[in-house]
Amino acid sequence: KQEVTQIPAALSVPEGENLVLNCSFTDSAIYNLQWFRQDPGKGLTSLLLIQSSQREQTSGRLNASLDKSSGRSTLYIAASQPGDSATYLCAVGETSGSRLTFGEGTQLTVNP
Amino acid sequence: KAGVTQTPRYLIKTRGQQVTLSCSPISGHRSVSWYQQTPGQGLQFLFEYFSETQRNKGNFPGRFSGRQFSNSRSEMNVSTLELGDSALYLCASSLAWVSGGYNEQFFGPGTRLTVL
Repeated sequence: KQEVTQIPAALSVPEGENLVLNCSFTDSAIYNLQWFRQDPGKGLTSLLLIQSSQREQTSGRLNASLDKSSGRSTLYIAASQPGDSATYLCAVGETSGSRLTFGEGTQLTVNP
Repeated sequence: KAGVTQTPRYLIKTRGQQVTLSCSPISGHRSVSWYQQTPGQGLQFLFEYFSETQRNKGNFPGRFSGRQFSNSRSEMNVSTLELGDSALYLCASSLAWVSGGYNEQFFGPGTRLTVL
């Protein structure tokens, strides 16, 4: 059974700092990995999708990497802003279907 | 292009009642998945529908069921509601292939269900 862990559970940083969120998974036989952002009481916003054959994806100030062999992914946020404050979720897509297994998330607070 | 829509956004029910939630996927997406989000269990997969067929199912009791219509819209039904069913129910749509490959998943705003 796939298990996804995110570290740290919460993170508070001053505005402008670069930061890294970590995600680890137990079964390396994944189809893809997706990073999401969730604001309080809202749905999930897709940030980046990495296919299992890829090593990284970039979108603006965000960069996500994937190392299947070690079961790890990182989300790098450059020059953080208060608007980046949210919960960030990592989700692993299994090979046999669309089922996503989610981590518990990292709650990020960027202080002005 | 319109995103994933879910109705209703908020719902209050009492124990023992049943409820039906609706999800309209992004135009052209044939796969619809449902997830339950609670503070204690996080996000958990309920089931996935593709071309009106359930293709994948999570570990939830039979009280949770769903269906998909020919226009890809999906409904989720929970019968005999329990207090523990209070949660945010999220629907996701994806451009999927018959072979089983999936693209990026896009989520709707969710339906907040409260069971009293």
